[in-house]
Amino acid sequence: EPEVTQTPSHQVTQMGQEVILRCVPISNHLYFYWYRQILGQKVEFLVSFYNNEISEKSEIFDDQFSVERPDGSNFTLKIRSTKLEDSAMYFCASSAPRGGWEQYFGPGTRLTVT
Amino acid sequence: AQSVTQLGSHVSVSEGALVLLRCNYSSSVPPYLFWYVQYPNQGLQLLLKYTTGATLVKGINGFEAEFKKSETSFHLTKPSAHMSDAAEYFCAVNDGTASKLTFGTGTRLQVTL
Repeated sequence: EPEVTQTPSHQVTQMGQEVILRCVPISNHLYFYWYRQILGQKVEFLVSFYNNEISEKSEIFDDQFSVERPDGSNFTLKIRSTKLEDSAMYFCASSAPRGGWEQYFGPGTRLTVT
Repeated sequence: AQSVTQLGSHVSVSEGALVLLRCNYSSSVPPYLFWYVQYPNQGLQLLLKYTTGATLVKGINGFEAEFKKSETSFHLTKPSAHMSDAAEYFCAVNDGTASKLTFGTGTRLQVTL
């Protein structure tokens, strides 16, 4: 069964550094998403991406964040100048119209900022 | 705007007992409702979803949920809990398009012997 994959599973970085989280959505899916979950809190939407541009973003997704689909398979989230409060689990998801836009989630990347 | 409220951050049941996890939603448009499960150190797995039509929805692992528009609820149930059901459960809502999911705060289910 097709699945969303994410790398790395765990990333440790120092405050102020840039990180890139990578995702491979399900092939033939058209919409891509990033969510995050701070430890002990609910899952929060960050951004959705369609047709090579951002379709929706939350208040959390400020200039510190950017997304890109550099090729036909990868979808990346870049966090510039990381802060301690960026420590969270980051989930990638993808969806397609044939599946009723059901969002399939990857296993997540745990980002720890020290 | 849409929102989800999950009553009870922790629920504990005995193995074999009924599981009831509560979810209430708010939506200005007809909602599409979802239950996701998160096992320790894993991602989110879809348990079931309500789109349109039949209000009683059956999902994986013996779970089901009933959409009640008059009560704005979408509670998750399972007749008999199993130890393997111990996990975090999230209710979520969107408008049925490719738009974002809005999640509740989650309910941690503990199953005891």
